[in-house]
Amino acid sequence: GESVGLHLPTLSVQEGDNSIINCAYSNSASDYFIWYKQESGKGPQFIIDIRSNMDKRQGQRVTVLLNKTVKHLSLQIAATQPGDSAVYFCAENDFNKFYFGSGTKLNVKP
Amino acid sequence: GAGVSQTPSNKVTEKGKYVELRCDPISGHTALYWYRQSLGQGPEFLIYFQGTGAADDSGLPNDRFFAVRPEGSVSTLKIQRTERGDSAVYLCASSLSFGNTEAFFGQGTRLTVV
Repeated sequence: GESVGLHLPTLSVQEGDNSIINCAYSNSASDYFIWYKQESGKGPQFIIDIRSNMDKRQGQRVTVLLNKTVKHLSLQIAATQPGDSAVYFCAENDFNKFYFGSGTKLNVKP
Repeated sequence: GAGVSQTPSNKVTEKGKYVELRCDPISGHTALYWYRQSLGQGPEFLIYFQGTGAADDSGLPNDRFFAVRPEGSVSTLKIQRTERGDSAVYLCASSLSFGNTEAFFGQGTRLTVV
């Protein structure tokens, strides 16, 4: 599969602060990039996706940015809450297969 | 309105045994995926189905692994002659249609081969 990696394995933020989770990808041919959240003992949960021809997409408290020049993807979470604590994966969609990175663990400190 | 259901939630088996892992996707979802997740890693693609047929099984590690979806709904992942290296969480996901990026995952089956 293609390589999808993350810059930081663990990120600690204060409750109420904004969080930024980064991801590098290698396959320029991917149609979509997706962010998933995985809580302990659960399966990954879809957060947001972005099509490869877009630079930015916003959801509820989340924003995904795509920089195709440097093959970089980021997830911004506004006003981080304790419930946001989880492992976050970026994934790329290539011919309907999702290739996941190894994840970033987000710790939200009260 | 149930989500993706996987059974069993945990399975312990002896090396060399045969196991079957079951996935009940969300009703109406035509695409079904199997992934394997090792501790501290992201999910690794195994196979996906569009309807009854395996559209892509390129992620299956070897011929000990096989999956079926005979009626286009429930899927079974079958592992023959299990090895300790097969120990992992096996995740199933479904999506509404082919090409839909929003996949819904089950909680997984934790397989331990002893």
